[in-house]
Order: sequence, then C-alpha cells, then structure tokens
Amino acid sequence: DPKIIQKPKYLVAVTGSEKILICEQYLGHNAMYWYRQSAKKPLEFMFSYSYQKLMDNQTASSRFQPQSSKKNHLDLQITALKPDDSATYFCASSQVQGGANSDYTFGSGTRLLVI
Amino acid sequence: QQKVQQSPESLIVPEGGMASLNCTSSDRNVDYFWWYRQHSGKSPKMLMSIFSNGEKEEGRFTVHLNKASLHTSLHIRDSQPSDSALYLCAASYQGGRALIFGTGTTVSVSP
Repeated sequence: DPKIIQKPKYLVAVTGSEKILICEQYLGHNAMYWYRQSAKKPLEFMFSYSYQKLMDNQTASSRFQPQSSKKNHLDLQITALKPDDSATYFCASSQVQGGANSDYTFGSGTRLLVI
Repeated sequence: QQKVQQSPESLIVPEGGMASLNCTSSDRNVDYFWWYRQHSGKSPKMLMSIFSNGEKEEGRFTVHLNKASLHTSLHIRDSQPSDSALYLCAASYQGGRALIFGTGTTVSVSP
C-alpha cells in the first residue's frame, strides 16, 4: 500500500484556472513538504510544514498556497495557472524536519499540464 | 548559483563497470548528505545517507564524505541496467531547514 497518497496522478488545466493537489501520508511523520520537478529545473523545494505549521516558503508567487487541515494532510492550491506551472509536483514527508532523521519518503507525484 | 552541485551531469557506464558521482555543497552550514535515486517516471527514493567523515558501503553502493571539503561521492560497482536512473544528492543545513537537492546525475548503464 502506498504510504503517501497524491491525487490526482495526472491533471490537465486551462490557463487562468485554479486547481488543488491533494497529499496524505500514513507514515506518522510530523513534517511534510512540497517539491516541484520540471525539465527546465531540478527538484525544487516549495514549502515545508512541521507539526502543521508552515516552516519555510521558497515560492516567489502567492499563487501557490499550501493547506494543512490535518497533521497527515498537506494540499497545494494553485490559482491563476500558467503554462510555466506545468511540472510534476511531489509531496514528501519525514519524521522530523532537519537532523539525521529527516530522510524523506516521496509520494508518486501529480503531473500537471497547463494548456 | 545552485547550493548543491553535482557532477557529471550524465554518465554512461558499461554493464559491470563502476560509476562515480560527485556532490558538493557551496554552503558551509551543511549538516548531512543523502543520496536519492529516481527511475524514469517515478518518485525519488532514498538510497543512502552519510553523516560522518569516511566511507559507508551497502551492497554495490559506497558513499564517501569529506566534511572539510563539503564533498560527498557515490560509487556504484558492478553496474546493472536497473541502475540506470537519475541520482540526486540532497543536503540539509543548520537551522533545521528542508532538504535541498542538486540537479542530479543521469546514469545510463549500457548492456
């Protein structure tokens, strides 16, 4: 059984629309993250949450908003979508953020295509 | 400038050969290094971690760390076609921040 569930697996969106990417982890981890990977850029850190608190935000745009309704849940809302947002978005989790116990488990990703 | 730099960008290794990958942090405040492997179309999976100076071996994989030079390397011996993948180096930094990944090395093992 997958330990980190990301939904949907694939998403096609129209420019200017809004989408929510879902992530749930069943590892009992306390830290969760969003990363983005595209052909143009390497695996790029976006957000980190620890114990449901936003710890770090490395996205330049306010169009990306993380939402954590439960400890094991971290969604990503993207508004006013642009073709440049096309990428695979990975959710990850770790026991804690930082330190030797912060090795990550990644979800299978959501492939977003903005047309 | 990328905080975690990897080289080479890509590598072709004959089956049964040795692959050597490098990773350096440009920030001296690095705490720990990890190596992840990502097969095409899949998510990254943790391969090995190294926290202390020296060498660590797990099967065909060996990792070296030189903290003074902020450098780690991954060596794959007896390379197999299933080792063909993107290898990502990640580092964590003081202050408990999220992992920063390098651009990766694409390894192709030719039969």
